[in-house]
Parts: sequence; structure tokens; C-alpha cells
Amino acid sequence: GAVVSQHPSWVICKSGTSVKIECRSLDFQATTMFWYRQFPKQSLMLMATSNEGSKATYEQGVEKDKFLINHASLTLSTLTVTSAHPEDSSFYICSAGVPGETQYFGPGTRLLVL
Amino acid sequence: AQSVTQLDSQVPVFEEAPVELRCNYSSSVSVYLFWYVQYPNQGLQLLLKYLSGSTLVKGINGFEAEFNKSQTSFHLRKPSVHISDTAEYFCAVHSGGSNYKLTFGKGTLLTVNP
Repeated sequence: GAVVSQHPSWVICKSGTSVKIECRSLDFQATTMFWYRQFPKQSLMLMATSNEGSKATYEQGVEKDKFLINHASLTLSTLTVTSAHPEDSSFYICSAGVPGETQYFGPGTRLLVL
Repeated sequence: AQSVTQLDSQVPVFEEAPVELRCNYSSSVSVYLFWYVQYPNQGLQLLLKYLSGSTLVKGINGFEAEFNKSQTSFHLRKPSVHISDTAEYFCAVHSGGSNYKLTFGKGTLLTVNP
């Protein structure tokens, strides 16, 4: 199956700093990538859809100036949490769309903001 | 609009027993159906998918699911579970198109006890 990686897997940062999370499709090109947030014992919440070479489409209620998404190449999308605060602490998961199929998910990034 | 209902939030079973995790969906258009598994602190792994063809779909780890259009269901089954099957299971749908946007159910926690 298609492989998606995320880096870092764990990050701890101080309140007010910015954190960048990378999502890579390792063995296929992904024109569309997705960013999700998952709270404990809950399903995934779609934050935004990222299309290579264009602006991301954010879901209702997600602050686009807070969660900056860049999809500069067919294998890499990044999520930057700007001026992070403790309430941004969460598990962030990315996925990549395979044409004619579905999404394949990365292993997730645990963010803890102190 | 699409929706997915996973009828059981938790399913406890004993090792080597059979299990069925239920999933019902609603959609005004044809859908593609998926089951994903999430182990603790990990991303989602695709178990199986229904895109077209045979309504009985076999996936990894001995799981299978049957698409029933008249009952709008896509229940997941395994004849004999192992301790290692303990995880969260998510049913998801999308209606095709180029953005592969998934609608997830709330998840079912399968706990396999010795």
C-alpha cells in the first residue's frame, strides 16, 4: 500500500512558539493531502484539504492564520501551528489521496504545548 | 451530504471469538466504503475498501466486510479475533471525485480479552 510519513512524531514546545509538521508521500505523488486533528477517544476532525500548488481549503471553524498549510510539491505538505497555546495540544494526522482509491494516513504527530 | 453511523462505541470480546463491527451510511449518491484501524498513538491503517465489484471484500489481518446497498450497511467481520486486534476501528465513506474527502464514523473500540 501507499506509504505516508510524518515528522516529527512527538514535539513539545513553549507557549507562543511556532511548530512545523511535515507530511510526505514516500512512494507516490499526492496532488491532494489532508490534515486532521484528533482529540482523545474521538474520531478525526478534518482541518483542511491541501492541493499542490494552490491555497488550502479550510473547514469551518479552523483558523487559517493559526494553522498554516503549504503544499509545495507533490510529495510534501506542511502544517505550521503558529503562536501555539496549550489548547492546541493534540494529535495531528495527515493523509494523502491516491487517485481512484482513498486516503492513506501518516503515523501522526503528538503536539504538547507547555 | 453523507453520514456514517457506527452503532457500537465499544465491543468487548474474548480471544478466538467471532466479531462484527457495524457500520451504516447515508448518501444521496453512490459511495465508496472503507474500514480503517487505529492502534494506540498511531495513525490510521487501511483494513479494506469497497470501490466496485464483489460486495464481499477481504482485507488484511483476516478481516472482511460486506457491502449491502439495500440496507446501506458495510459491517466488518472476523471469524476469530486475537489480542493484537485490540484497537479503534473507523468506518468511512467518500463519493468519489478528485478530492477523496472522507466522512468518518465515530469509531468502535474493539477490546479482545484473554
